[in-house]
Amino acid sequence: QVQLQESGPGLVKPSETLSLTCTVSGGSVTSGAYYWTWIRQPLGKGLEWIGYISYHGYTNYNPSLASRVTISKDASENQFSLKVNSVTAADTAVYFCAREPHGAFFDSWGQGSPVTVSS
Amino acid sequence: EIVLTQSPATLSLSPGERATLSCRASQGVSNWLGWYQQKPGQAPRLLIYDASNRAAGIPARFSGSGSGTDFTLTINSLESEDFAVYYCQQRINWPFTFGGGTKVEIK
Repeated sequence: QVQLQESGPGLVKPSETLSLTCTVSGGSVTSGAYYWTWIRQPLGKGLEWIGYISYHGYTNYNPSLASRVTISKDASENQFSLKVNSVTAADTAVYFCAREPHGAFFDSWGQGSPVTVSS
Repeated sequence: EIVLTQSPATLSLSPGERATLSCRASQGVSNWLGWYQQKPGQAPRLLIYDASNRAAGIPARFSGSGSGTDFTLTINSLESEDFAVYYCQQRINWPFTFGGGTKVEIK
């Protein structure tokens, strides 16, 4: 049973960089069967797909965020990470990491990591 | 970007009643539509994939139907643990998008 766990600062200052890590257990970020994904949810609002990284490092981002987002992975730690630069209050949200089997829907999620952008 | 519109925004029902939730896509998504359930403080949980297939471990009272632009999630005989927010999601085109959600609340 795969498990995903987000970690990172809960408070980021405006104009700085938001950084989160997702640690995967019970599965491997080098598995060719999955895309490793980030999704966010502003408080009380809906879900927004941010992007994913594949087993070989290919990334695909939401065009609305692509200029500010980087997703990377560390196979040795079995982790993948999210960076969002130049953050504003609009980036305040709960950030989820999730697993997407190829050609399928998000079948495993982390519990979510709340991030507030404030000075 | 494909816009998914869910209705109603809130559904007030009693345990044992049937819930019917709608998701409409701004363009056809074939059957590449899924449904998720989210409870407060939790991550979403996949209920239905490819419009009508229940995910592993999902009770039979949950069913999905539809194709193209109009989809329905039906929950037969609501149980107490079913009161939650439900989201639809399309995966035919990037960026993947979600609907705004339907909250099923206890009447």
